[in-house]
Amino acid sequence: QVTLRESGPALVKPTQTLTLTCTFSGFSLSTSGMCVSWIRQPPGKALEWLARIDWDDDKYYSTSLKTRLSISKDTSKNQVVLTMTNMDPVDTATYYCARRSSGSGLDPWGQGTLVTVSS
Amino acid sequence: QSVLTQPPSVSGAPGQRVTISCTGSSSNIGAGYDVHWYKQLPGTAPKLLIYNNNNRPSGVPDRFSGSKSGTSASLAITGLQAEDEADYYCQSYDSSLSGPVVFGGGTKLTVL
Repeated sequence: QVTLRESGPALVKPTQTLTLTCTFSGFSLSTSGMCVSWIRQPPGKALEWLARIDWDDDKYYSTSLKTRLSISKDTSKNQVVLTMTNMDPVDTATYYCARRSSGSGLDPWGQGTLVTVSS
Repeated sequence: QSVLTQPPSVSGAPGQRVTISCTGSSSNIGAGYDVHWYKQLPGTAPKLLIYNNNNRPSGVPDRFSGSKSGTSASLAITGLQAEDEADYYCQSYDSSLSGPVVFGGGTKLTVL
């Protein structure tokens, strides 16, 4: 059974750096074709894709946010870490991680973690 | 402003058929990239509903179907049921400056 779980601070202050960890089980990110993406959803709004890291360590970022994002993986710990710098109240959202295997969509998703940006 | 355009809302009575459109451009759906659909119930994470345009993951009823043509894709739901009331999102890939992965703005389905 494949599961993913997001963890990180529930509250960050403006200008701070957010670090989120996605801990997964049931698959290996060293397997060819495997990828993990981060997606966020502001309250009441649509999904927004943020970043992706592939089994071969290729990394992809949202064009509008790439100067603020960094994604990395620790295959031995089954974890993917996303950092977002210079947080702003508009970054308040539920942050999800999700797996993508070759030839499919994002499946499954973690339960999400709500991050509020406020002073 | 989402790269993929969906109607904000659709509705239908139980038993009816509804469709949700997802309109893109030549840099995403029109470029031949696959379209995936997700269903999101209130307060929960999205769940994959249709992958690669018209494939259903195990456990998804055959009342749900997807199609793609040109720069658009559609999700069809037949035999509408109360539990179908949710938000639906399309997702594809993009070769322009929009970014490699793009979502639609989401469609709220109301079962009357």
